[in-house]
Amino acid sequence: EAGVAQSPRYKIIEKRQSVAFWCNPISGHATLYWYQQILGQGPKLLIQFQNNGVVDDSQLPKDRFSAERLKGVDSTLKIQPAKLEDSAVYLCASSPTWGEAFFGQGTRLTVV
Amino acid sequence: ELKVEQNPLFLSMQEGKNYTIYCNYSTTSDRLYWYRQDPGKSLESLFVLLSNGAVKQEGRLMASLDTKARLSTLHITAAVHDLSATYFCAVEGTSGTYKYIFGTGTRLKVLA
Repeated sequence: EAGVAQSPRYKIIEKRQSVAFWCNPISGHATLYWYQQILGQGPKLLIQFQNNGVVDDSQLPKDRFSAERLKGVDSTLKIQPAKLEDSAVYLCASSPTWGEAFFGQGTRLTVV
Repeated sequence: ELKVEQNPLFLSMQEGKNYTIYCNYSTTSDRLYWYRQDPGKSLESLFVLLSNGAVKQEGRLMASLDTKARLSTLHITAAVHDLSATYFCAVEGTSGTYKYIFGTGTRLKVLA
């Protein structure tokens, strides 16, 4: 079974630039999550989708972050404009309607 | 708001020794997960605990859940160097939402 695919793996941008991350979940998984993991901390949930609807985005900084899930499958997370404090690993995870979440390799973002 | 705390944050132990990592959470939940993360890698699911009194074991690791005490433990028996990693617990925020809140993580280093 293929795992959660994310791209790119690494990205370096200057502050105030924009960036987008892509995630392809495990086939058939209804729930998709985006987490932000700052170095030395636990993952923090940014947004949760159920199929193509948003279940929870209470921790998403909506003035600069946006996310969508296309046709209930792939998802993109965008940051515009980026700030230095956005430097982190962005993890995508998916799960069946009931069950544990499986994580992708993550995208390491460095904002300079 | 659900808070998840782990202790200790850092643990350095000798090979062959036993130790326990604790995960406390602040609101009622009966679904808890343990993950392992190696440096620069994504999160790997270790255990799924779904009810009070649940106990799961895999090799030198054993996890348990006490929902009344809002406590989970991850016990390490006769540690080996390969267990060196960061361990996270994740708790479902509200029953049925499949929204997982991660703990702070415990960085384990097993010394040969």
